[in-house]
Amino acid sequence: EVQLLESGGGLVQPGGSLRLSCAASGFTFSTYAMSWVRQAPGKGPEWVSAITDSDGRTFYADSVKGRFTISRDNSQNTLYLQMDSLRAEDTALYYCAKTLHPAATTMNFDYWGQGALVTVSS
Amino acid sequence: ETVLTQSPATLSLSPGERATLSCRASQNVEIYLAWYQQKPGQAPRLLIYDASKRATGVPARFSGSGSGTDFTLTISSLEPEDFAIYYCQQRRNWPPLTFGQGTRLEIK
Repeated sequence: EVQLLESGGGLVQPGGSLRLSCAASGFTFSTYAMSWVRQAPGKGPEWVSAITDSDGRTFYADSVKGRFTISRDNSQNTLYLQMDSLRAEDTALYYCAKTLHPAATTMNFDYWGQGALVTVSS
Repeated sequence: ETVLTQSPATLSLSPGERATLSCRASQNVEIYLAWYQQKPGQAPRLLIYDASKRATGVPARFSGSGSGTDFTLTISSLEPEDFAIYYCQQRRNWPPLTFGQGTRLEIK
């Protein structure tokens, strides 16, 4: 059974940092591209960042480029999102999401975690 | 950025009725359009990808159609568990991947 378990969310002041983790199990993590998708309260999903499977190419939404860093540790089956210079508008539930097909950047997501809540407020 | 516009914003129907949801892209996305269902307190669930392919485990009452800029999600006969919010998402022109703003399907 595929499982994605996010952790690391919390309350942080504007300008602060947080690191989200996503522990993956039930599939061959190293062969799938992964993404972070966030959802602000009452809003639709917003794609944040993606990382390819083996070569680790990274992609970012303009809204987080230069502030967020996605990474992965295939030996630990874990995805990360380092979030720096956080703003109030980054407040959202952050989901880790698995792409549908292995060894491809077919960016549709068939499994999602339960989400990690990030609140940026003074 | 490819903007996805969903209509209607809210659709009120009764169980057993047919639901037709629309997603229009601001530029050509070929067939690379997906549909997700989201219920309160849950993550989105992939229903349809590449415009018309049903994801694993999705009931046959869900179907997708379209190409280019105009897409439709059809639910042939609504079940009580189908009342939720539906989002479209494109992967043709990325980054960024983009989602529509959603259609709320509510019980009439």
